[in-house]
Amino acid sequence: GAGVSQSPSNKVTEKGKDVELRCDPISGHTALYWYRQSLGQGLEFLIYFQGNSAPDKSGLPSDRFSAERTGGSVSTLTIQRTQQEDSAVYLCASSLGVGQGPIYGYTFGSGTRLTVV
Amino acid sequence: TQLLEQSPQFLSIQEGENLTVYCNSSSVFSSLQWYRQEPGEGPVLLVTVVTGGEVKKLKRLTFQFGDARKDSSLHITAAQPGDTGLYLCAGGGNYGQNFVFGPGTRLSVLP
Repeated sequence: GAGVSQSPSNKVTEKGKDVELRCDPISGHTALYWYRQSLGQGLEFLIYFQGNSAPDKSGLPSDRFSAERTGGSVSTLTIQRTQQEDSAVYLCASSLGVGQGPIYGYTFGSGTRLTVV
Repeated sequence: TQLLEQSPQFLSIQEGENLTVYCNSSSVFSSLQWYRQEPGEGPVLLVTVVTGGEVKKLKRLTFQFGDARKDSSLHITAAQPGDTGLYLCAGGGNYGQNFVFGPGTRLSVLP
């Protein structure tokens, strides 16, 4: 696609429910990243993919968080048993490849605003 | 993990004024990027600087990378309401959590 697409744009869920967030990166971008941005805060790294592999999962806050990527394209971030502290904007970004991001930049989607009530 | 600090945290100015925001670290960065984020949107890349002392201009925006590659500044001349947003600097290693974002400077330009 022309840009990074994320869905849903907004999600309100009850505490304890599972949620799935989707990211469709720019076609041809092999690297995909997930970040979390809490209100008024900077970006917190969660996980990145090179192709379908996730070499660095150390940013995931807890074992309730998981992510996968299939076909080198779409990625889903799953949060199980959501808690109120999970409320944030979840941003996805892609780059041509790992290593190209710091030079050519990351293209971000508009994010999914998750509210846990 | 390398850390980036940004100052000021908030800045509110009148249209037509000039301003400078700063990005600092105790670590050396191989490259540094500036992004602008508007409400409800993801950050958008403004510039990448890679050489110590480098200066890049983007219309009314001037970006400078410190000689030691530990700091950077963004200067806006004659600010306009359209410049309103969150300005983020970012840099570090090639990937993953080695590439870090600063907390941002939230700029408001009043007409």
